[in-house]
Amino acid sequence: ETGVTQSPTHLIKTRGQQVTLRCSSQSGHNTVSWYQQALGQGPQFIFQYYREEENGRGNFPPRFSGLQFPNYSSELNVNALELDDSALYLCASSSGQEGLDYGYTFGSGTRLTVV
Amino acid sequence: EDQVTQSPEALRLQEGESSSLNCSYTVSGLRGLFWYRQDPGKGPEFLFTLYSAGEEKEKERLKATLTKKESFLHITAPKPEDSATYLCAVAGGTSYGKLTFGQGTILTVHP
Repeated sequence: ETGVTQSPTHLIKTRGQQVTLRCSSQSGHNTVSWYQQALGQGPQFIFQYYREEENGRGNFPPRFSGLQFPNYSSELNVNALELDDSALYLCASSSGQEGLDYGYTFGSGTRLTVV
Repeated sequence: EDQVTQSPEALRLQEGESSSLNCSYTVSGLRGLFWYRQDPGKGPEFLFTLYSAGEEKEKERLKATLTKKESFLHITAPKPEDSATYLCAVAGGTSYGKLTFGQGTILTVHP
């Protein structure tokens, strides 16, 4: 199986609720990153996991948390949802700790709407 | 803090009309500069990584170049299927694994 798969594709949640987004990495990739992309903006780095350990984090509060599993799939959890959390959430995978030579492979994202 | 600024925000071209997109960056210790293409409703698709000033890479109608302060994505004789948002990103400093993206340039190529 090739490519990065994310689920669900769309989600509507109420302010204050919690949400879990899921990602299956491309076969052979052991690094996964999560990004938030607001409408009309470039993606913003949330965090990265390498071999099940978080090894990099952007400027996001602790209510954004994640997990990477032994099969390199991953979850993004967001607690106490706020209206500003409405965005496209992208998962990206790579082989090695940093996808330099071949870039990161991105999924198509989960569109989260908080009402 | 790493910063990336892309210009123009939007570019409309006629099929066959060559042009360039600009990416200006500020980073402490550049490890790589990336170009991605993003189609509506999809995630970014990797195009190139450039590592040092003077480097150039080509793929079909696209050519990316790098200086110490900016990168250009040259599009030669574009076709309507080249229409997309083009994103520039840098990896640098001590934030291992983090890509800092610009806001993107929306390219529209008319037949």
